[in-house]
Amino acid sequence: EAQLVETGGGWIQPGGSLRLSCAVSGFTVSDNYMSWVRQAPGKGLEWVSVVYSGDITHYADSVKGRFAISRDNPKNTVYLQMNSLRAEDTAVYYCTREGTPKNDILTGYYSFDYWGQGTLVTVSS
Amino acid sequence: DIQMTQSPSSLSASVGDRITINCRASQSVRNYLNWYQQQPGKAPNLLIYAASSLQSGVPSRFSGSGSGTDFTLTISSLQPEDFATYYCQQSYSAPRTFGQGTKVEIK
Repeated sequence: EAQLVETGGGWIQPGGSLRLSCAVSGFTVSDNYMSWVRQAPGKGLEWVSVVYSGDITHYADSVKGRFAISRDNPKNTVYLQMNSLRAEDTAVYYCTREGTPKNDILTGYYSFDYWGQGTLVTVSS
Repeated sequence: DIQMTQSPSSLSASVGDRITINCRASQSVRNYLNWYQQQPGKAPNLLIYAASSLQSGVPSRFSGSGSGTDFTLTISSLQPEDFATYYCQQSYSAPRTFGQGTKVEIK
């Protein structure tokens, strides 16, 4: 069974930097689309960033230019480097795989099928 | 970006009730629509993908329907463990977007 474990959250002052890690077991991150999704306290889910199997990356407009997603294939780990943090970045950050059925009529239909437990990032002075 | 709007935002129901949650996309997403359940303090859990396909391990009382811009999640007989918040999400285009959530509470 797949497991995703996030670490690296904590309290940080506005303008600071933090790096989140997502250690994965049960599948290979380099073969999959890996995303970060966040949830501000008492709010809904917001997609943040994705790294595709070909190393192409995309970001939500709210974090573009400040956050960077990357992968370490030998460690099977995904990272989210967060710079110039703002109060509105305060949230639980989830690492998630965007998977699709293999060799199936539904191949190509992607969904967030595996999630980590989340790590809380608090940006406050 | 495709906007996803859920209704209602919350509902109260009793164990055994049949409930439906609606999700509307701002443009057609064909059937690239997923549903998630989130318990308090937990990560979301995939229930339905491709609008109507049940994720492995999810009870059959959950079902999804719809295509284009209008979708529905139905729970045929609400169980105590189903009281949670439900989100729809489109996977038709980037960026992926979620509905604002529907909280299902005990009446």
